[in-house]
Amino acid sequence: DAGVIQSPRHEVTEMGQEVTLRCKPISGHNSLFWYRQTMMRGLELLIYFNNNVPIDDSGMPEDRFSAKMPNASFSTLKIQPSEPRDSAVYFCASREEAWGNQPQHFGDGTRLSIL
Amino acid sequence: AQSVTQPDIHITVSEGASLELRCNYSYGATPYLFWYVQSPGQGLQLLLKYFSGDTLVQGIKGFEAEFKRSQSSFNLRKPSVHWSDAAEYFCAVGPTGANNLFFGTGTRLTVIP
Repeated sequence: DAGVIQSPRHEVTEMGQEVTLRCKPISGHNSLFWYRQTMMRGLELLIYFNNNVPIDDSGMPEDRFSAKMPNASFSTLKIQPSEPRDSAVYFCASREEAWGNQPQHFGDGTRLSIL
Repeated sequence: AQSVTQPDIHITVSEGASLELRCNYSYGATPYLFWYVQSPGQGLQLLLKYFSGDTLVQGIKGFEAEFKRSQSSFNLRKPSVHWSDAAEYFCAVGPTGANNLFFGTGTRLTVIP
């Protein structure tokens, strides 16, 4: 079975540009999570969805960040405008059930560099 | 508030030696507990999980972890480390009834010949 698929794997762009990160969760999974990983702050939960509905976006750093999940097989994380401090590895994870004890399955991440 | 502490930022062990990575959590009840491993340039891979029952759980790649309620700990162990085990290890806590996970800051494992 295919795992969580993220694209692109690497993104380098200039400050002020719009950045869109994409995620395809594991088929049949009902929950999707976006994380950001940096050396300084470790792994931070940005937002998660249950059945395509955003449940908790309290981790989204500011209004420049937005996330959507238009259907069960696709999600995007957008940064507009991007800033150098947004440079990080962004992970998407999915989980089979909205509640319960199932583990999260992670994609390989998108390494984002804002110049 | 829930929290996860991994007190060791970096551990170095010799190949073939035993390994124990520490994890302590703060939570009012017994949460769901997980260990993940992250190799360079990759995402997090689940090693093992604990929900209830036997407090010693077995995972992939020869890892095991023991839940100790009295110590609020969930330490990861491996009797003989292989060079391929060099990676970053994350302990995570999932409060029962909640959907999200709280991750520790990770422990980087270096394996020397």
